[in-house]
Amino acid sequence: DAKTTQPPSMDCAEGRAANLPCNHSTISGNEYVYWYRQIHSQGPQYIIHGLKNNETNEMASLIITEDRKSSTLILPHATLRDTAVYYCIVTVSNFGNEKLTFGTGTRLTIIP
Amino acid sequence: DVKVTQSSRYLVKRTGEKVFLECVQDMDHENMFWYRQDPGLGLRLIYFSYDVKMKEKGDIPEGYSVSREKKERFSLILESASTNQTSMYLCASSLWPYNEQFFGPGTRLTVL
Repeated sequence: DAKTTQPPSMDCAEGRAANLPCNHSTISGNEYVYWYRQIHSQGPQYIIHGLKNNETNEMASLIITEDRKSSTLILPHATLRDTAVYYCIVTVSNFGNEKLTFGTGTRLTIIP
Repeated sequence: DVKVTQSSRYLVKRTGEKVFLECVQDMDHENMFWYRQDPGLGLRLIYFSYDVKMKEKGDIPEGYSVSREKKERFSLILESASTNQTSMYLCASSLWPYNEQFFGPGTRLTVL
């Protein structure tokens, strides 16, 4: 599986858009980009995933560059409850039999 | 909502004890996973299971075994607990063929 690189920490003002970057320069053509987050003392929570097209759901948007070597997770209107560690994961999607390799992620702090 | 429950939030055991960590999911998911989480190392996959009585080793299976006798239940067993197995243990499940994993709240195990 390709490895990912994320900044260790970021701050964002409450109400602003939080943009979390991820580099995955060795990603293969059949590998997906997944984002999870982990709020303190809880298990990780799935946010979104994509292959090559941009994706949006009720939680966030995922922007993947055309060469697929990097992506950005966007939380459009960050709230204090979005304070968490965010993980960018690249993995082959094998119809649900994927293995997720979590790195150390980005610790996002939302500032009031 | 999918619910993944783990038998204990906190557990303290002594070196050499046999330890059972139980995980139950209520959404008829085929896939179940056990991870451990340590500071600076992120989440690491111990074992996973695609079906009842089926199991596969993850990245760090040494010192652990698993059991899946029923679809909804996946147990992690530490045959002889050691201090280096002190960690946060997280269980997850996913519905084939989807890739979204749902995590339990975690069990913080301390081995003295």
